[in-house]
Amino acid sequence: GNSVTQMEGPVTLSEEAFLTINCTYTATGYPSLFWYVQYPGEGLQLLLKATKADDKGSNKGFEATYRKETTSFHLEKGSVQVSDSAVYFCALTRENSGYSTLTFGKGTMLLVSP
Amino acid sequence: EPEVTQTPSHQVTQMGQEVILRCVPISNHLYFYWYRQILGQKVEFLVSFYNNEISEKSEIFDDQFSVERPDGSNFTLKIRSTKLEDSAMYFCASSESFQETQYFGPGTRLLVL
Repeated sequence: GNSVTQMEGPVTLSEEAFLTINCTYTATGYPSLFWYVQYPGEGLQLLLKATKADDKGSNKGFEATYRKETTSFHLEKGSVQVSDSAVYFCALTRENSGYSTLTFGKGTMLLVSP
Repeated sequence: EPEVTQTPSHQVTQMGQEVILRCVPISNHLYFYWYRQILGQKVEFLVSFYNNEISEKSEIFDDQFSVERPDGSNFTLKIRSTKLEDSAMYFCASSESFQETQYFGPGTRLLVL
């Protein structure tokens, strides 16, 4: 079945540091890939997505590239801010599924200090 | 900006009791979902709902669970007889169509004692 594996957290960085959160997946065919973010006390928000191989999703300075050959969708940001502190979830939906059930990773907490 | 809301934010209940978790999806959305996250584990899909019926459900969604859209705005998840292992954060989500972005609520933290 489908699965998503994320790096363990928390990831602790200083402001303006470079961020990478690793995400790899197991799925048949060509799933769509997502990063969701959860700020304290709030729901999951879509951060970015990519629907086919080699696509790059980007939003708010975050980027992730759909790598079919390595089955990865690593999240990167060149310079993090304190306001980026949150839990980040990598997720996928099945290819050609009738309904868009999301399969999530465990989430990675990011803590950014000033 | 429209958002998904959930009530209550926290609920504590005794094992064997029934609980109802409530969600108000975004008003023009047609697809509704429930997910849960047991502490320290993955967010897991429970059920999807469209056109007043369940469209898909996971193995977790057994006979103890039910969903309903009792009126034009609410979407509820009922657990008939709670177990300790039902303790989790429950997220509601909605989407405009089946391949559009799912928008999540803030979650209800359920604790079963």
